[in-house]
Amino acid sequence: EVQLVESGGGLVQPGGSLRLSCVASGFTLSNHWMSWVRQAPGRGLEWVANIKQDGSEKYYVDAVKGRFTISRDNAENSLSLQMDGLRAEDTAVYYCARRRAGSSWSSFDSWGQGTLVTVSS
Amino acid sequence: QSILTQPPSASGTPGQRVTISCSGSSSNIGANTVNWYQQLPGTAPKLLIYNNNQRPSGVPDRFSGSKSGTSASLAISGLQSGDEADYYCAAWDDSLKGVLFGGGTKLTVL
Repeated sequence: EVQLVESGGGLVQPGGSLRLSCVASGFTLSNHWMSWVRQAPGRGLEWVANIKQDGSEKYYVDAVKGRFTISRDNAENSLSLQMDGLRAEDTAVYYCARRRAGSSWSSFDSWGQGTLVTVSS
Repeated sequence: QSILTQPPSASGTPGQRVTISCSGSSSNIGANTVNWYQQLPGTAPKLLIYNNNQRPSGVPDRFSGSKSGTSASLAISGLQSGDEADYYCAAWDDSLKGVLFGGGTKLTVL
């Protein structure tokens, strides 16, 4: 069974940092592009970042460029999101998502349960 | 305001057919395939339709997708109370080099 389990969320002050992790199981992580998608409380979905199978290509939404860094460790079956310079508008549930093999960039066929990040003083 | 435009709400009675639209532009829906997600209350999104009109294994054929030009639609037939959820369209945008989600449509089964 494919599983994605996120961790690392919590309360952080504006300007602070947090590192999210996502552990994958039930499939070969190195075969898939992976992404982070977030959802602010009561709001819609917002794609945050993508990373290629070998980590050689990364894409970010403009709102987080220069502040967030996506990375992966295929040997450890894990995906990470380093978040620096956090702002109140980064408050959201962050989901780890797997891109469906052979499908389009916006096709995510497996999602984690999400981890809540709250940025507040 | 999302670049991919969806109606904020839709409704229908059990057994009815409802459609949800998603409007974009030449750099996103016009150039790339559309995917649809269902998000039940308090849960993570679930892929409902991929590549415009394909259903993942396990998704009932009551759900169907279509695309024409810079717009796409999700149709749900034989509406059930369990279909009450938020529905999102998504597509890659060639200009922004990123994934776009629609603002979401809240479906209510009356």
